Amino acid sequence: EAGVAQSPRYKIIEKRQSVAFWCNPISGHATLYWYQQILGQGPKLLIQFQNNGVVDDSQLPKDRFSAERLKGVDSTLKIQPAKLEDSAVYLCASMRTYGPQYSGNTIYFGEGSWLTVV
Amino acid sequence: AQRVTQPEKLLSVFKGAPVELKCNYSYSGSPELFWYVQYSRQRLQLLLRHISRESIKGFTADLNKGETSFHLKKPFAQEEDSAMYYCALSGGGADGLTFGKGTHLIIQP
Repeated sequence: EAGVAQSPRYKIIEKRQSVAFWCNPISGHATLYWYQQILGQGPKLLIQFQNNGVVDDSQLPKDRFSAERLKGVDSTLKIQPAKLEDSAVYLCASMRTYGPQYSGNTIYFGEGSWLTVV
Repeated sequence: AQRVTQPEKLLSVFKGAPVELKCNYSYSGSPELFWYVQYSRQRLQLLLRHISRESIKGFTADLNKGETSFHLKKPFAQEEDSAMYYCALSGGGADGLTFGKGTHLIIQP
C-alpha cells in the first residue's frame, strides 16, 4: 500500500509569515497525527484526529497553529505567524483503528516537511 | 505526566559486538512500549513493540515494569544497523506516541 504522503518537503519562510503543510494518510486509516520534531529531539505530538474530529490537541500552540481534516481524509497544518522556534520537521502519521485489516496500533509516518524560519 | 528517557545521544560499537540501547519511562498505568528506527534518508518506521515479544532484524526488547525500562538489544551488531533509534510509549489503542530524544547508533567496521 502507498505510504503517508506529505508536501511540501522543504520550506523556508521569514518570521511572521504563514505556511501550510498537507498530508494524505494511508488509504483507510481513520486516525491521523501531526508531530513536530525539532533538531536533536524526538517527535512531539501536536494534534490527533479520528476521522474528521479532534481527539487530542493539548500540545498544539493554538495561538499560531491550526489543523483541520474536513472530510476525514487529507489534513492541513497551518502556522501563522511563524516564529524562529517553529523551525522543525513536521511529521504526519496515520493508523488504521478499525476494519478487516486492523494491524494493531502501528503508526506509519510520512517523510516529513522540513520548515526553516529565518 | 508520561516521559521517555534515552540517556545516550550517541552509541558507537564495532561490527560483531553486542548492542544495548537504553530506554526508561514514566507512566501512571500500563503503557505500550515501542522502538522506532530511522535509517539515513528514510522515514521513521516501527522496529518492534513489547506486546509482540518478537525479534526483528536480530533485535529484542523486554519490558521490565519493575525498573520501568525497555532496553533494545542485539547480540552481534551489523553495519546496516547504523541509524537513529527512538523509544516511544503509548497509553494504548489509538493514543499518540511519546518519544524519547533518540540514540544515534553507529556501527564501525
